[in-house]
Amino acid sequence: DTEVTQTPKHLVMGMTNKKSLKCEQHMGHRAMYWYKQKAKKPPELMFVYSYEKLSINESVPSRFSPECPNSSLLNLHLHALQPEDSALYLCASSHAKDRVLSGGYGYTFGSGTRLTVV
Amino acid sequence: QQPVQSPQAVILREGEDAVINCSSSKALYSVHWYRQKHGEAPVFLMILLKGGEQKGHEKISASFNEKKQQSSLYLTASQLSYSGTYFCGSREGGTYKYIFGTGTRLKVLA
Repeated sequence: DTEVTQTPKHLVMGMTNKKSLKCEQHMGHRAMYWYKQKAKKPPELMFVYSYEKLSINESVPSRFSPECPNSSLLNLHLHALQPEDSALYLCASSHAKDRVLSGGYGYTFGSGTRLTVV
Repeated sequence: QQPVQSPQAVILREGEDAVINCSSSKALYSVHWYRQKHGEAPVFLMILLKGGEQKGHEKISASFNEKKQQSSLYLTASQLSYSGTYFCGSREGGTYKYIFGTGTRLKVLA
C-alpha cells in the first residue's frame, strides 16, 4: 500500500460546527503532516507529528486541533472556523527524516479534503 | 521564508523544453521537486541530496547547486502529461519543517 487516504474528500461546514478530517497511511511512515493550500498557492505547513508526538506547530490557530492516535492515523479536529479557513487540506507522510535523506525518499500526499466554511 | 521559483508560469508546445529554477535565501540541505495537477495531490518527482547532484526521472531531470542555494528542473521534449504546477521544496536543516517554493504553472499545448 503506497497511498495516503484522506476522508472526506469534500466538507461544507458552518462556523459553529465541529468536524474532523481523517488521514491514514500503511507505509510504515513515522512522520505525518498537515498542510493547508489555497488556490494557486503552495501548500503551507500546519503541523508535523513524528513518532506520534507533535513535533511542529506552525503557529496555527487553536480552532485547528491535530491528533495522532497511532502511527497510521492522523486527525485534524475543526471547531468554530472562519470563512477564510476554506481551503484544500492535505495530509502527507514520510519516513523519519534521516531515512528520507539517506534513502532519497520524498513525501507522499493524500488527495486532500476540500473544505468550505459558510 | 519560502524558496522562490521562476518563471511563475510557462506555456509550451509538445516537444519543447523548459527549465524551472528554484532559489533560496536559506541554506538548502536537500531539494525535492513535486508536480501537482489541478485538484490532485502533489506527486513526488525526485530528491537531490548533495550539492552538484543531478538526477533524472523519465525526461525530467534536476540539478542542485548547494553553494548558490539553487536548484533547476529540466523538462525535455515535453508531453501533454507534464502540465501542472511544479513546486520545489526543502527541509530546514535537521528538522521536519518542509517548505514548498512559490510554484511554477506549466501548460503544454498540443
